Formats: sequence, structure tokens, C-alpha cells
Amino acid sequence: DAGVIQSPRHEVTEMGQEVTLRCKPISGHDYLFWYRQTMMRGLELLIYFNNNVPIDDSGMPEDRFSAKMPNASFSTLKIQPSEPRDSAVYFCASSLWTSGGGSYNEQFFGPGTRLTVL
Amino acid sequence: AQKITQTQPGMFVQEKEAVTLDCTYDTSDPSYGLFWYKQPSSGEMIFLIYQGSYDQQNATEGRYSLNFQKARKSANLVISASQLGDSAMYFCAMREAFFNTGNQFYFGTGTSLTVIP
Repeated sequence: DAGVIQSPRHEVTEMGQEVTLRCKPISGHDYLFWYRQTMMRGLELLIYFNNNVPIDDSGMPEDRFSAKMPNASFSTLKIQPSEPRDSAVYFCASSLWTSGGGSYNEQFFGPGTRLTVL
Repeated sequence: AQKITQTQPGMFVQEKEAVTLDCTYDTSDPSYGLFWYKQPSSGEMIFLIYQGSYDQQNATEGRYSLNFQKARKSANLVISASQLGDSAMYFCAMREAFFNTGNQFYFGTGTSLTVIP
């Protein structure tokens, strides 16, 4: 089975431009997570969805960030306008909640998108 | 309070020796899971091992084992017979089962492991 797919793998843009990151979760998974990783702040959870519905977006840094999940197989994270401090690696992860899984439910990570805002 | 604490920003180990990476956690949830992920320099996050709070035995996966001490709330990762390919960042994470209805993970800040030939 294909894992979590993210595109693009690398993005270089100029300050003020709109950036759209894309994610295709593992088929059948009902949870999708967006993370941001920087040296300074480590791995931060930005937002997560359950069955395409945003559950918690308290990690989204500001209104410039938005995320959507129009269907079970696709999600986007948009930054508009982008700023140099948005430079980071953005990960998408998915998982499947199972009633008998208890505390398990491993998260599967995509390869990440390395964003550089000049 | 931090849910997951990794106090070792960087660790060095000689090739073929064992190394322990520390992780302590904070939760009042009676049911939780602890995970370790590896992030090599290429950047991907690789799941290594899982320990459930009700598991009686320490988890093992090949050269990886988890030293789970519930009373101390610690879940240290032990890597035996270190290899050069083990050089990477290692993250400890926790998922609470009852309090966390959203399947959210809490990640530590990571430990950078360098294996010396």
C-alpha cells in the first residue's frame, strides 16, 4: 500500500506569495494531522481532522494559515501571505482509529514538505 | 506541564554498543500508549516501537526495546548493538486513550543520536 503522500517535497517562494501544501492520507484512515517542524520549536501539531472534519485547529499559528479536507483522500494546508518565519518542514500524518485498539493507533507520516520563504 | 520530556538533546554511542534514550511522560489517563519514532537526516518519520500502559511486558522490536517503568512514568528506548545507520533524531510520543478523544499525539523535543565508528 502507498504511504502518506505529500506534495511538493520542496517549495521555495518569496515573501507574500500564497503557498499550498498537499496531502493524500493512507486509504481508509479516518484521522489526518498537519505538523510543522523547526529547529527552534520542534514538532508542532497545527490541526487535525476526523472524517474530513477539523477537530482542533488551536495549533494554527495565525489567520494566514488555513487547512481543508474536502474528501477522505485529500487535504491542503495553505499559507497566505507567506512570511520567512513560515520556513519549516511540514508533515502530514494519518491514522485509523480502531475501537479495539485502545491507546494504539499509530500515526503514519508522509515524507514532509520543506518550505523556504525568502 | 510538558506531556513528554526528553532531557538529552544529543547523545553519542560507540558502534556496536547499547544506548538508552530517556523519555518521561505526564498523564493522569489510566490508558495511554507510548511511541518512539526515528527521524534520519533524510527527514522522514519512522515508527519504531509501541508500549501500551496496560502491557505487562516491555515492548521489543529487533534491536529496539522499551524500558517501561510505569510508576516512574518513564519509557526509555534502548538500542542494542548500535549501527552507523542508527544516527538520527529520536522522538518519544504519547497518546491518551480516554481523555484524548481526538487521537492526538504529544511529542517530545527529540534526542539526536550519533553513532561513532
